[in-house]
Amino acid sequence: KQEVTQIPAALSVPEGENLVLNCSFTDSAIYNLQWFRQDPGKGLTSLLLIQSSQREQTSGRLNASLDKSSGRSTLYIAASQPGDSATYLCAAAYGNNRLAFGKGNQVVVIP
Amino acid sequence: DVKVTQSSRYLVKRTGEKVFLECVQDMDHENMFWYRQDPGLGLRLIYFSYDVKMKEKGDIPEGYSVSREKKERFSLILESASTNQTSMYLCASSLSTGGAVNEQFFGPGTRLTVL
Repeated sequence: KQEVTQIPAALSVPEGENLVLNCSFTDSAIYNLQWFRQDPGKGLTSLLLIQSSQREQTSGRLNASLDKSSGRSTLYIAASQPGDSATYLCAAAYGNNRLAFGKGNQVVVIP
Repeated sequence: DVKVTQSSRYLVKRTGEKVFLECVQDMDHENMFWYRQDPGLGLRLIYFSYDVKMKEKGDIPEGYSVSREKKERFSLILESASTNQTSMYLCASSLSTGGAVNEQFFGPGTRLTVL
């Protein structure tokens, strides 16, 4: 069974610093990897999707990389802002449209 | 913009009641999913549907059933609600394109409390 791990569970950074969030998965035979943002009590907002054939994807201040061989993905958020405070989840897609989710990194950006 | 809506943001029900959670998407997606999210356990797949009237069990289907009579609507049914079904329920949808696994789009969630 595919397992996805996100460590640490929670972190705080001062405003302006770059955020680095890590995601590891056990089965390298993934179709893609998706990063989501979740605000308290809300649903998930899709941030980036990296196909298994890609090494990275960028959207504005966000950049996500994928290294299938080592079972890792990293989400970078440049010049963090208080509005970036949220929980970030990664999900590895494998057969039959299944997503295996990590438990998330809860991020607080301190003004 | 893809839009996935869920019928209620908050719901309070009593043990033994039959509960319906509704999800509607407006992007003509073939795939629809129901998850529950619990602290410490993350998101777990309950059921998904890849076409009208088609369904497949997820990881935790016990105590739940689903209905998909129309492409845009996917319902989750708790036949007899129990307190251990208190949770946040999230619906999602995605396009089906051959063998590809496509981006999933989520609704705002329904916080269900069973007393």
